[in-house]
Amino acid sequence: QKEVEQDPGPLSVPEGAIVSLNCTYSNSAFQYFMWYRQYSRKGPELLMYTYSSGNKEDGRFTAQVDKSSKYISLFIRDSQPSDSATYLCAMYSSASKIIFGSGTRLSIRP
Amino acid sequence: NAGVTQTPKFQVLKTGQSMTLQCAQDMNHNSMYWYRQDPGMGLRLIYYSASEGTTDKGEVPNGYNVSRLNKREFSLRLESAAPSQTSVYFCASRSPGLAINEQFFGPGTRLTVL
Repeated sequence: QKEVEQDPGPLSVPEGAIVSLNCTYSNSAFQYFMWYRQYSRKGPELLMYTYSSGNKEDGRFTAQVDKSSKYISLFIRDSQPSDSATYLCAMYSSASKIIFGSGTRLSIRP
Repeated sequence: NAGVTQTPKFQVLKTGQSMTLQCAQDMNHNSMYWYRQDPGMGLRLIYYSASEGTTDKGEVPNGYNVSRLNKREFSLRLESAAPSQTSVYFCASRSPGLAINEQFFGPGTRLTVL
């Protein structure tokens, strides 16, 4: 079983929809949770991060962590065609290296 | 600043051939990393270098060697390429002292081994 599980998609939604992307994990020691965005044929870029549980909002993006369920989410409001990309969750504890999810491919239809 | 640069962008090798993937960063970062990305597998760490002069194995080091040439450059060598090493390879670097382990990635090298 992988330490981090992520639905690979692809996920296709119309422009303006709310998108929910999710990851589950098995290692309860993980404390830092990140979302990277990767455009086609580019390297990943850090989009958002949270420490421990709770929510964090940045513009149209909200990252949510539920440590009791070992479940993290990224919500995108008012989705735009420019949001079309692969989204990778990533996480680590203070003593470990980053573990990446396999990525969810998202397509926003105009 | 160019950030993290990688060469070459594309490469086709025959089984058994060798090659070196080059990576350089101009952000004065201490830590550098090599990952491979395969469909359904996410990013997997091959080797990393916490600082100049040190290297350590990651999750999938077999078949690879690395050299931290100086603070800027971190190369990945395939001594005898195998079809299983067909992948997209990403180099990344990280600045010390940040609250979060943010890694900055290069554009990738797409390698095909026939």
